[in-house]
Amino acid sequence: DQQVKQNSPSLSVQEGRISILNCDYTNSMFDYFLWYKKYPAEGPTFLISISSIKDKNEDGRFTVFLNKSAKHLSLHIVPSQPGDSAVYFCAASEDDSWGKLQFGAGTQVVVTP
Amino acid sequence: DTAVSQTPKYLVTQMGNDKSIKCEQNLGHDTMYWYKQDSKKFLKIMFSYNNKELIINETVPNRFSPKSPDKAHLNLHINSLELGDSAVYFCASSQALAGGTSSYNEQFFGPGTRLTVL
Repeated sequence: DQQVKQNSPSLSVQEGRISILNCDYTNSMFDYFLWYKKYPAEGPTFLISISSIKDKNEDGRFTVFLNKSAKHLSLHIVPSQPGDSAVYFCAASEDDSWGKLQFGAGTQVVVTP
Repeated sequence: DTAVSQTPKYLVTQMGNDKSIKCEQNLGHDTMYWYKQDSKKFLKIMFSYNNKELIINETVPNRFSPKSPDKAHLNLHINSLELGDSAVYFCASSQALAGGTSSYNEQFFGPGTRLTVL
């Protein structure tokens, strides 16, 4: 029972353009959402997060948007760079959950020159 | 300076064997986790320990037994290995607290251990 879904397994974008990654969830008890980036043969690394009390969080080239009514969040990368080529995982957790994260299946992003 | 380290990085073994994967974190975190990434690339939590105490135990065969000798280490022992155990296993740590601020849930992952059971 996947509570976090990333329906696009891959995304190709030109360098300098915007990358938009989408994530949907089914559990209305989730109150904290995170994006992780993963390179081959490495563990996921934390990228950016957002609490359910906010609808936007920005950190440099990365912005996460949260639409609680639609149970949808997205990650925008502007401008995209070749080093952004990686797998991006969306994750979510409930408060009082001791940090138990539910992950999506990931979206492979390829940034082309 | 490696924050979360795992050994070995690769592990190839025969069905029926018993093996262990070690994990250490030097971040001073109180909570550690084991995740399994299966062939479909889903990362699923298996266990979590907080200050050496088991706090999350998902539906995992009891052939898998985590052991936490201290809060900086969480090792994973697997008995009677089966073909379906082949996966990449990730260790992680955080300052997660029950009822605490959700920002403590940010987890730092190790590089993963690729287990292949033949």
